[in-house]
Amino acid sequence: GESVGLHLPTLSVQEGDNSIINCAYSNSASDYFIWYKQESGKGPQFIIDIRSNMDKRQGQRVTVLLNKTVKHLSLQIAATQPGDSAVYFCAENGSSNTGKLIFGQGTTLQVKP
Amino acid sequence: DAGITQSPRHKVTETGTPVTLRCHQTENHRYMYWYRQDPGHGLRLIHYSYGVKDTDKGEVSDGYSVSRSKTEDFLLTLESATSSQTSVYFCAISEMLAGGPWEQYFGPGTRLTVT
Repeated sequence: GESVGLHLPTLSVQEGDNSIINCAYSNSASDYFIWYKQESGKGPQFIIDIRSNMDKRQGQRVTVLLNKTVKHLSLQIAATQPGDSAVYFCAENGSSNTGKLIFGQGTTLQVKP
Repeated sequence: DAGITQSPRHKVTETGTPVTLRCHQTENHRYMYWYRQDPGHGLRLIHYSYGVKDTDKGEVSDGYSVSRSKTEDFLLTLESATSSQTSVYFCAISEMLAGGPWEQYFGPGTRLTVT
């Protein structure tokens, strides 16, 4: 069945270092991927997305890499800040044409000052 | 939060009572979704809507019903609440334009406790 998974439940990094959060997906039909950030007590917040016709997309301090060969997605955060501490989710659209997303379990990013 | 509000934000109810959660959007987006979030399960889709009066089930729809009589409102009803429905409920909206799906925007959530 379809599944989206993150490799590590918790990632702890030093402030100022770069963070890399990984995600594996299983549905080869997925052509749209999103990363969300969720702070405690809040709803998921869109960070960045990427379509399957791209390998890399950059935003402000964030980069998403997509490797379709091994069905792997990663989120890189440059110069990690305390405000980046949150749970990060990846999501894929599977074979849906109704905008439905399949979410991974989430990785908790802890930033040490 | 992209023009999405949820009400109530917190609710405590007793087992067996009906509960309705409301999601309201001001973005005029066609697609709306209800998720529940539980520890160890991430976000799971309950029901979704792809237009007024057009709804379909998600992966955890048992015990829930929805209605969408206007573009801006999507209601989630628990006909007879059970303790297993204690959760945080999120509403999301999205749009589909030429080129494929676009990001879902989430509301602030409703924390529901069934005692």
